[in-house]
Amino acid sequence: DARVTQTPRHKVTEMGQEVTMRCQPILGHNTVFWYRQTMMQGLELLAYFRNRAPLDDSGMPKDRFSAEMPDATLATLKIQPSEPRDSAVYFCASGLVLGQTTDTQYFGPGTRLTVL
Amino acid sequence: GESVGLHLPTLSVQEGDNSIINCAYSNSASDYFIWYKQESGKGPQFIIDIRSNMDKRQGQRVTVLLNKTVKHLSLQIAATQPGDSAVYFCAEKGTGRRALTFGSGTRLQVQP
Repeated sequence: DARVTQTPRHKVTEMGQEVTMRCQPILGHNTVFWYRQTMMQGLELLAYFRNRAPLDDSGMPKDRFSAEMPDATLATLKIQPSEPRDSAVYFCASGLVLGQTTDTQYFGPGTRLTVL
Repeated sequence: GESVGLHLPTLSVQEGDNSIINCAYSNSASDYFIWYKQESGKGPQFIIDIRSNMDKRQGQRVTVLLNKTVKHLSLQIAATQPGDSAVYFCAEKGTGRRALTFGSGTRLQVQP
């Protein structure tokens, strides 16, 4: 049963510390998405990769957030320095896009981040 | 601006009844729609999708209806069970856009 995995599942850190979240997309998928979910804002898209290339990171605060895909099996989302307002659940999702055909996005279990 | 919204933030139904969750979207260029279910502490789970060239699609106990004329999407759950209790999100993607836009969610509560 293929699924997206994320680590860590929970992270508590202090303001100013660096946070790195990791995601392993489903094998064979060529798109990766990072979302942030809060009670106030719901699900917000932070970044989108296709074939490991970043195509859209307009939803991400550039001064402190960065997203990368070192290889096809790993996506990372880094916050440096972290702030209390970054507290949220961060989801990674992967999917398969062929030409103009969009497949479903499959979500991981999320990383619950708390910044004190 | 473009948005995806839901009519009812909370829906309470009796076990065994049918549930209908509604969603309105504003982007007339949307061509792909998905319903997700999110249980507490978990990520959104795919339920069913539909493309704009269809107006109905059925899965196991679930049916999605798409009315492009009024830009309305609904999820019907037959014989609702306690395990169906969750927050349900609709999401849409427009032609040429890269990512899904999610609605704010509807909480479904199934009373035993």
